[in-house]
Amino acid sequence: SQQGEEDPQALSIQEGENATMNCSYKTSINNLQWYRQNSGRGLVHLILIRSNEREKHSGRLRVTLDTSKKSSSLLITASRAADTASYFCATVGNQAGTALIFGKGTTLSVSS
Amino acid sequence: EAGVAQSPRYKIIEKRQSVAFWCNPISGHATLYWYQQILGQGPKLLIQFQNNGVVDDSQLPKDRFSAERLKGVDSTLKIQPAKLEDSAVYLCASRWTSGNNEQFFGPGTRLTVL
Repeated sequence: SQQGEEDPQALSIQEGENATMNCSYKTSINNLQWYRQNSGRGLVHLILIRSNEREKHSGRLRVTLDTSKKSSSLLITASRAADTASYFCATVGNQAGTALIFGKGTTLSVSS
Repeated sequence: EAGVAQSPRYKIIEKRQSVAFWCNPISGHATLYWYQQILGQGPKLLIQFQNNGVVDDSQLPKDRFSAERLKGVDSTLKIQPAKLEDSAVYLCASRWTSGNNEQFFGPGTRLTVL
């Protein structure tokens, strides 16, 4: 079963704008990860945030985690056409080494 | 570092036929996963291997799906017989046993069952 839900399901923005995607999940986690999927490069890991972390940055990406609300957000700043893809959050349960449980994803379209 | 290899990339079969997918993980990755991704959804775990042993196959439809990783390296996933609802992309992923659980995915095999 799907662990979480991403919101919105689809997002269309112009190049240079920021894109924010949200993810909610149901059970306690060890960590939460964000992945990007497009037809050219398949499913690629973007960033991981552990349950004891609240915010993490990687380049133009910023991820936040609120374990009390069981939610996370992914912010992509200064978006580019190449950011067009589907974005998935995936959780790992408290037993380390378990498989990822993915949400349904947000489809991001960035137009130039 | 070579990535996760999968073949074939595309497969079209009739329902009730059999099909097999192959995956070669990144060298040294002891943990291997097979996921099923139906159009419009996120990937769903089918089976997880640690070396040549099964860790989790609770979501594998065992009446028609089977998977093996005999030598603890490459793996095959088989569907016999296929149903229309098996149309999906089958993704293989691998990771180091220790570390932060980041998984590396192959390009997937897109299966169409007619």
